[in-house]
Amino acid sequence: LAKTTQPISMDSYEGQEVNITCSHNNIATNDYITWYQQFPSQGPRFIIQGYKTKVTNEVASLFIPADRKSSTLSLPRVSLSDTAVYYCLVRFGNAGNMLTFGGGTRLMVKP
Amino acid sequence: GAVVSQHPSRVICKSGTSVKIECRSLDFQATTMFWYRQFPKQSLMLMATSNEGSKATYEQGVEKDKFLINHASLTLSTLTVTSAHPEDSSFYICSAREVGGEQFFGPGTRLTVL
Repeated sequence: LAKTTQPISMDSYEGQEVNITCSHNNIATNDYITWYQQFPSQGPRFIIQGYKTKVTNEVASLFIPADRKSSTLSLPRVSLSDTAVYYCLVRFGNAGNMLTFGGGTRLMVKP
Repeated sequence: GAVVSQHPSRVICKSGTSVKIECRSLDFQATTMFWYRQFPKQSLMLMATSNEGSKATYEQGVEKDKFLINHASLTLSTLTVTSAHPEDSSFYICSAREVGGEQFFGPGTRLTVL
């Protein structure tokens, strides 16, 4: 499984767009990129998943360059409630098991 | 999305006792369930993967005799921490998925061993 690397922490202010980049240099052809959000003392919550180019849902956008060695989670106009830890995972196929969580990025949104 | 529940949400026990944590998939049949452990300020660490009706597969470094996993039905898996010690205090999270389906996480169980 591809190892992922993310910034340990990020700070932002309410209303700003936040971009969190994850590197996965040894991603395999069949791997998908998935992002989860975790609040303190809660289980992770699925945010978005993609294979290449761009994916957008009601919560976030995911940008994946052509070489797929990195990906960027974009959160538009964050609010205080978006303060959480965000995990980037690589999974085999679009429904592979979530086996390896990296360190995650601790996002702090300030008023 | 699908719902995965855990019970209890938090438990405090004395050192040496055993604690059972239940994980249920409420609206789908989970052929595979996973158990994770998370220490404060750290990421989730996979402990074991279990398929319904078969023995769990434990990750390296996880003692299978200490962390007993039973996946007896398609909607229920249990994790029993035997002879718990203070170093077992952690946040235990289960996850469940159906064949070819998405993987959903439970809310977690906070275990404190005194």
